[in-house]
Amino acid sequence: AQTVTQSQPEMSVQEAETVTLSCTYDTSESNYYLFWYKQPPSRQMILVIRQEAYKQQNATENRFSVNFQKAAKSFSLKISDSQLGDTAMYFCAFTPYGGSQGNLIFGKGTKLSVKP
Amino acid sequence: EAGVTQFPSHSVIEKGQTVTLRCDPISGHDNLYWYRRVMGKEIKFLLHFVKESKQDESGMPNNRFLAERTGGTYSTLKVQPAELEDSGVYFCASSQDGWNTEAFFGQGTRLTVV
Repeated sequence: AQTVTQSQPEMSVQEAETVTLSCTYDTSESNYYLFWYKQPPSRQMILVIRQEAYKQQNATENRFSVNFQKAAKSFSLKISDSQLGDTAMYFCAFTPYGGSQGNLIFGKGTKLSVKP
Repeated sequence: EAGVTQFPSHSVIEKGQTVTLRCDPISGHDNLYWYRRVMGKEIKFLLHFVKESKQDESGMPNNRFLAERTGGTYSTLKVQPAELEDSGVYFCASSQDGWNTEAFFGQGTRLTVV
């Protein structure tokens, strides 16, 4: 079975500092997509960053970057220069390549609080 | 452009009653997905529509759940009769194409069965 594990239920970070959220996954697929989604309080979930497994280069979106270790099946999210608006639930998700990017397998989420 | 919208945002019903959740996808998005998050657990896939057809309903928990997407536009998810374990947040998402395109999520409907 394909699973996604987020081992940190809650984390906090001081504004302007850097924080890393962990995610591991289990799959027998060789090609797949990995995602980090962010859900701010009382708002919809939005895509933060996406990584295609066949690409060795780690994806980056402004202050958000990932450390993708395919052999270790690890996909961590680094948030640099944390801002108060980064406070949210963060979900790691997976889908096999060639399937629908809406058919996602999610982790339980990490609640991140950015403190002033 | 409007995003994915879900109605209602909250619903509290008694065990045994019926509730209907609605999802309006982004205009032009053929793919529509339903997910559910039970408190403290993962967000779980329920089903996937392509236009009005059910592409994958492998995640539907039991026959008390009925999803429809008449005309390939908005979708409804009906729970009848509701049980306590149905409580959770129900998310809807839509995407333009099946794969290689981003799925956009609604805010979710928080369902509480008492």
